[in-house]
Amino acid sequence: QSALTQPASVSGSPGQSITISCTGTSSDVGSYNLVSWYQQHPGKAPKLMIYEVSKRPSGVSNRFSGSKSGNTASLTISGLQAEDEADYYCCSYAGSSTPVVFGGGTKLTVL
Amino acid sequence: EVQLLESGGGLVQPGGSLRLSCAASGFTFSSYMMSWVRQAPGKGLEWVSGISGSGGRTYYAASVKGRFSISRDNSKNTLYLQMNSLRAEDTAVYYCAGSSGVTHFDFWGQGTLVTVSS
Repeated sequence: QSALTQPASVSGSPGQSITISCTGTSSDVGSYNLVSWYQQHPGKAPKLMIYEVSKRPSGVSNRFSGSKSGNTASLTISGLQAEDEADYYCCSYAGSSTPVVFGGGTKLTVL
Repeated sequence: EVQLLESGGGLVQPGGSLRLSCAASGFTFSSYMMSWVRQAPGKGLEWVSGISGSGGRTYYAASVKGRFSISRDNSKNTLYLQMNSLRAEDTAVYYCAGSSGVTHFDFWGQGTLVTVSS
């Protein structure tokens, strides 16, 4: 199973909105509404930000939102804040034999 | 408070074996699918293996199938990963993670570093 495709980096200024894309195939992202997103600060464990394409866990800011169209999922962060600077990973269900595939990760820089 | 505490990492020679453990607390362990996810130095996340709440179903990434074995002891609230025939490319921080859903990881441990080198 190939990794999902994410841009290596994105950037934005405080207060702006950014979107990170995550492109898979009809075997993973395109077939299941089971995309999740994780935030990882340097030296820390990942944190769940979005699950099942667009659901937010309790405690996650509503500045974070998710969507999906075809084989591509997206994470949008509005009202960028300095603490949003981190690596972001998408993840999708990919079938019963090898159920999980991650994206390569996107480094978000808040200018 | 949910806590996952990994242990067992360290330096091992190529071809060697290592057993990782993940002690869980603060949630009903047997109700959660558990997984191991690794991250090579400076690289992205890679799912390694998963196990159902009862332990009856296990799943592996192609890169570790036949070499790694996942198990759990629900009486001890502990997840394990037996790693055999280790290779340099297995060098990574290994995280254990708990899932309430099919493939989203609700919570993560702090990770344990495995280094495969001669």
